[in-house]
Amino acid sequence: EDKVVQSPLSLVVHEGDTVTLNCSYEVTNFRSLLWYKQEKKAPTFLFMLTSSGIEKKSGRLSSILDKKELSSILNITATQTGDSAIYLCAVRVYGKLTFGQGTILTVHP
Amino acid sequence: GAGVSQSPSNKVTEKGKDVELRCDPISGHTALYWYRQSLGQGLEFLIYFQGNSAPDKSGLPSDRFSAERTGGSVSTLTIQRTQQEDSAVYLCASSLEGGGNTIYFGEGSWLTVV
Repeated sequence: EDKVVQSPLSLVVHEGDTVTLNCSYEVTNFRSLLWYKQEKKAPTFLFMLTSSGIEKKSGRLSSILDKKELSSILNITATQTGDSAIYLCAVRVYGKLTFGQGTILTVHP
Repeated sequence: GAGVSQSPSNKVTEKGKDVELRCDPISGHTALYWYRQSLGQGLEFLIYFQGNSAPDKSGLPSDRFSAERTGGSVSTLTIQRTQQEDSAVYLCASSLEGGGNTIYFGEGSWLTVV
């Protein structure tokens, strides 16, 4: 059975801190790994990673995939209160995405 | 359309009634997915469509749940004889064909069974 595990499950930081969120997976026929941010209902897309070792960046967020270690990290630097959300990691195998439990990030002013 | 559109956005129904949830994917997206998210839980896969066929419906929790897609576009998720444990947000997503394409989610339909 495909499995995606995220850690930590929750994290509380202050504005300006840097956070690292982890995602590990055990799946067959890996296609890609995706990160989403969920604030209300719909997860919004952050990154899609298919190749190992290539960092993707968007502003203060960055992510990298390690296919040897079957894992990925999502970094957020200089956190802001608007970064408070659930961060979801998902791995795509053939058609469907298998999601991790998510990391609840709370950023205090 | 510009994004994945779902309706209704909120639905309150009585236990035992049937409900239909609709999803209109991004124009040109051949793959369509249904997920369910219960309060405080992760996203649970329900079914995946490629065109009008469903190669993976392994996540449908019981025979009360069914989904169809017509014309390679709009999909309907039907829940018969709703139970309180069916209360959740039902999320639809779509993508271009292929494992290397981003999957985009709609805003979801919040179902409450009373």
